[in-house]
Amino acid sequence: DAKTTQPPSMDCAEGRAANLPCNHSTISGNEYVYWYRQIHSQGPQYIIHGLKNNETNEMASLIITEDRKSSTLILPHATLRDTAVYYCIAPNFGNEKLTFGTGTRLTIIP
Amino acid sequence: DADVTQTPRNRITKTGKRIMLECSQTKGHDRMYWYRQDPGLGLQLIYYSFDVKDINKGEISDGYSVSRQAQAKFSLSLESAIPNQTALYFCATSDNRGPFTGELFFGEGSRLTVL
Repeated sequence: DAKTTQPPSMDCAEGRAANLPCNHSTISGNEYVYWYRQIHSQGPQYIIHGLKNNETNEMASLIITEDRKSSTLILPHATLRDTAVYYCIAPNFGNEKLTFGTGTRLTIIP
Repeated sequence: DADVTQTPRNRITKTGKRIMLECSQTKGHDRMYWYRQDPGLGLQLIYYSFDVKDINKGEISDGYSVSRQAQAKFSLSLESAIPNQTALYFCATSDNRGPFTGELFFGEGSRLTVL
């Protein structure tokens, strides 16, 4: 799997956009980037994934740089319920086993 | 009701005891996984199964065994529990229809404490 690097923690004010960065400089051309989050001790929840185009769904947007060496997950209007650990994952192509690192602990400040 | 159900949700046991954690799912997925999470750390893959006859070791399978009794059921066993197996355990499933989408569906977790 491509090594991913995320800041250990971030704060964001409620109502603002939360931008969570992830570096994956060793990613190969056909490897996707996946984002999950884990609220407290619940099971992780899938958020979004992408290959090279920007992606958006009802939860978030994913911006992948043109060279694919980094990406940013954007929560457009953060709420207190978005406080969680966010994981960026880039498994090898064809690897259907996801490995979760330590992620970024995002705290939404009222 | 949850699509992926784990039992028990909490268990305290003693060193040397045999423990089974059970996972059942109603999503109709063929792929099932067991993960372990230690406090403050990410998730480590213990075992995974892509169909009833397919069982594979993950990163940290030593000290664990699994059984895939049916498409919907995947059990994790600790034959002789030890304190460093104290952790939060998660079961997950993924859809086998079409290309892998990377979307795993997790259960609510089973917290195991080994004294």
